[in-house]
Amino acid sequence: DTAVSQTPKYLVTQMGNDKSIKCEQNLGHDTMYWYKQDSKKFLKIMFSYNNKELIINETVPNRFSPKSPDKAHLNLHINSLELGDSAVYFCASSHGLATGELFFGEGSRLTVL
Amino acid sequence: ILNVEQSPQSLHVQEGDSTNFTCSFPSSNFYALHWYRWETAKSPEALFVMTLNGDEKKKGRISATLNTKEGYSYLYIKGSQPEDSATYLCAFDWSNTGKLIFGQGTTLQVKP
Repeated sequence: DTAVSQTPKYLVTQMGNDKSIKCEQNLGHDTMYWYKQDSKKFLKIMFSYNNKELIINETVPNRFSPKSPDKAHLNLHINSLELGDSAVYFCASSHGLATGELFFGEGSRLTVL
Repeated sequence: ILNVEQSPQSLHVQEGDSTNFTCSFPSSNFYALHWYRWETAKSPEALFVMTLNGDEKKKGRISATLNTKEGYSYLYIKGSQPEDSATYLCAFDWSNTGKLIFGQGTTLQVKP
């Protein structure tokens, strides 16, 4: 069983489209995150949720909207996709806020044409 | 701007060699320092989370030390094996909110 799973793993789409990436964790963790791997390969935090409550919202265009229907799921919806949104997006979870290690999903590679 | 720097960026060693790499981070507002191992086509996996100045952690042949006063951590691999080939990431937690700042990683290649 995969602890943190993301779907889809690969997503190719046209500029201007709206797309979603889903994330689920079966670890019973309270906190979930979205990270983006930028062009220089750095992992940079986008959002975090703790028990469905938004905790961290970095300087991310408001075309990106996270949604947490329950504490086991954190989905990322992106409106009006732009070329610069092409990246690998990683979901992660941890026991609680700022407690211990992150458990990462395998990443979702988004390519915007 | 908070920066985390790792050196070297890449490293090639022979099987059996011991090696180490460095993570430098701001010495103020320290909360925790994480090390992750990231194999190609897989997800990053935690090695250590270190919180106290002088912490030393060990997992098998891999160990890490922490100096929060001067802002650095070392990761050591004793007797490198080909399966140790991966990118090693460190991440600095300064905000007590889980907002980690990652370094760019050190990519290790171990030749048989």
